[in-house]
Amino acid sequence: SQTIHQWPATLVQPVGSPLSLECTVEGTSNPNLYWYRQAAGRGLQLLFYSVGIGQISSEVPQNLSASRPQDRQFILSSKKLLLSDSGFYLCAWKRIHYEQYFGPGTRLTVT
Amino acid sequence: AQKITQTQPGMFVQEKEAVTLDCTYDTSDPSYGLFWYKQPSSGEMIFLIYQGSYDQQNATEGRYSLNFQKARKSANLVISASQLGDSAMYFCAMREANFGNEKLTFGTGTRLTIIP
Repeated sequence: SQTIHQWPATLVQPVGSPLSLECTVEGTSNPNLYWYRQAAGRGLQLLFYSVGIGQISSEVPQNLSASRPQDRQFILSSKKLLLSDSGFYLCAWKRIHYEQYFGPGTRLTVT
Repeated sequence: AQKITQTQPGMFVQEKEAVTLDCTYDTSDPSYGLFWYKQPSSGEMIFLIYQGSYDQQNATEGRYSLNFQKARKSANLVISASQLGDSAMYFCAMREANFGNEKLTFGTGTRLTIIP
């Protein structure tokens, strides 16, 4: 069966520091991968998606970037965090069918 | 304009009763899909049910069913015989079938609390 991992689970970072969140999927190949952000008490906002290695589409312009160095690895990065980057970051994958399956998430607090 | 609207920010329901969570959507695309996700306090988003715009019958998955009324652009989630473990945030989402579109648009969610 497929499993999706995210780490770290929680992160507290000062403003201006870099960020690297990692997502990996097991048990499938060539998945579509997604990064979402959820602000407190809000719905999910799609940040990036990838249909293959090195292929990244950005939905929202911001100081975040994403990379897909391997088929089942998706990385969310920032060179300098802003206070507004605080939130709950969720990675998701999709293989053939329409539904997306989410990882456990990373709770980021920028101080 | 909001593409997905969930008008109930919170609901309290007695255990074992059925509950309906409202969701209306807005799209001009004839091909689209509607999803419901559950988010417990742990934060993980759990896929519950999917309805395609061309599906003839309402989707069902165990105690979950989707009351799909295409003309009214509504896709309400019905949970039968509610349980304490159903307490969570519930999100409605839509995928429009624009070419190459991978985006799920989420509503703002409904917080469901089951009362023992």
